Amino acid sequence: EPEVTQTPSHQVTQMGQEVILRCVPISNHLYFYWYRQILGQKVEFLVSFYNNEISEKSEIFDDQFSVERPDGSNFTLKIRSTKLEDSAMYFCASRGQNYGYTFGSGTRLTVV
Amino acid sequence: DQQVKQNSPSLSVQEGRISILNCDYTNSMFDYFLWYKKYPAEGPTFLISISSIKDKNEDGRFTVFLNKSAKHLSLHIVPSQPGDSAVYFCAARADAGNMLTFGGGTRLMVKP
Repeated sequence: EPEVTQTPSHQVTQMGQEVILRCVPISNHLYFYWYRQILGQKVEFLVSFYNNEISEKSEIFDDQFSVERPDGSNFTLKIRSTKLEDSAMYFCASRGQNYGYTFGSGTRLTVV
Repeated sequence: DQQVKQNSPSLSVQEGRISILNCDYTNSMFDYFLWYKKYPAEGPTFLISISSIKDKNEDGRFTVFLNKSAKHLSLHIVPSQPGDSAVYFCAARADAGNMLTFGGGTRLMVKP
C-alpha cells in the first residue's frame, strides 16, 4: 500500500536554529498538508499546498514557517528560528482526487 | 476553537463487545467526516469516513453513524479486539481540498 514517508523520525535542535522536515507524499497525490500535535494536545492543521502554492494556512503557520516542493517529489516544512513551543510531532499528509488523506509516521521535533 | 469535540478521553471495553466512540461538531459547513486510529509514535491511520449526504457507512467491523441534526457522529466497532486498542480521532472537513479539523481523541482500551 502506498505510504507517505517522513524523515527524520526524530530531530533535536537548539532554540533559534533552523530545521527542515522532509516528506515524500504518495506519488499521484495532488494535495499536501502539514499538521502537528503537541504532546497531549489535538492534531492541529498547519498548512495545505496544492498546485505549487499554499492553499490554506492556520494561525500557527506564521512567518517562521515555510513549505516547499522543490523537486516534484519532496515536500518540506522549514521552521526558520525554532522556539521551545515548536516541540511537537509533525505529520505530513497527502490526498488524491478522492477524499482519502494519508498521513506519514511523523517527525518528533524537540527544541532544547 | 472546539469545532470538533470528543468528550470521552478514554473508553474501556471487553474483547468481543461493542465499542462506541462519539464525536460532536459545531460547524454546519462540515460535509465530510473521517475516523482515524493512532498508535503511539505513528501517524494517524485512516479507518472510515462518511459524507454528510449519508447517515451510515459500514466497513467490516467498523460502522460510522452521522446525525446531522444533532451534529453528532459515532464509530461502532464490533466485535472489539485487543488490537483495536489505540487513540481514535474524529476529523471533519468543510469542502474539497481544505484542512481537516480534529477532535481531541479517545483512547480505547480493549481488554482480553
